[in-house]
Amino acid sequence: KQEVTQIPAALSVPEGENLVLNCSFTDSAIYNLQWFRQDPGKGLTSLLLIQSSQREQTSGRLNASLDKSSGRSTLYIAASQPGDSATYLCAGGTDSWGKLQFGAGTQVVVTP
Amino acid sequence: GAVVSQHPSWVICKSGTSVKIECRSLDFQATTMFWYRQFPKQSLMLMATSNEGSKATYEQGVEKDKFLINHASLTLSTLTVTSAHPEDSSFYICSARFPLAGGNEQYFGPGTRLTVT
Repeated sequence: KQEVTQIPAALSVPEGENLVLNCSFTDSAIYNLQWFRQDPGKGLTSLLLIQSSQREQTSGRLNASLDKSSGRSTLYIAASQPGDSATYLCAGGTDSWGKLQFGAGTQVVVTP
Repeated sequence: GAVVSQHPSWVICKSGTSVKIECRSLDFQATTMFWYRQFPKQSLMLMATSNEGSKATYEQGVEKDKFLINHASLTLSTLTVTSAHPEDSSFYICSARFPLAGGNEQYFGPGTRLTVT
């Protein structure tokens, strides 16, 4: 069974610093890797989806990499802003039907 | 982007009663929807996979007679928590699989906060 781990559980940075969030998974036969953002008491917003055949995806200030051989994905957020404060979840796709195994998330606080 | 809605956004019910939560894909048809549960400070746990026109597939440890799922149309799946108890209090989130060719990106609803008193 795929297990997904996110470290650290919480992170606080001053505005303007780059954020680096780590995600590791146990099964290299991952179908895809998705990063989400969750604000308190809200649902999930999809940030980036990396298919198993890809090594990275970029959207604006966000860049996510996928290294299946080492079982790792990293989400980079450049020039962080207070509005980036949220919990970031990574999830590994386990099959073509879309089942996801979630990590516990990293709670990010960006201080002005 | 694709939009998924949930109704209600929050509900309070008495122990022993049943509660129905709706999940709708507003601008696309979803043959597959998923139901998750999230306890405070914890991540999402997949409860079941809902397929239009067929029985839902439940994850290990999830009681199918307690959490009834009906995916009656391509845009609507419902989760009914039967005979709710305080330990069922949680944040329930649905997602819908976006049917791009070869893709399986999911879009999530805003969640439903259930409190059982």
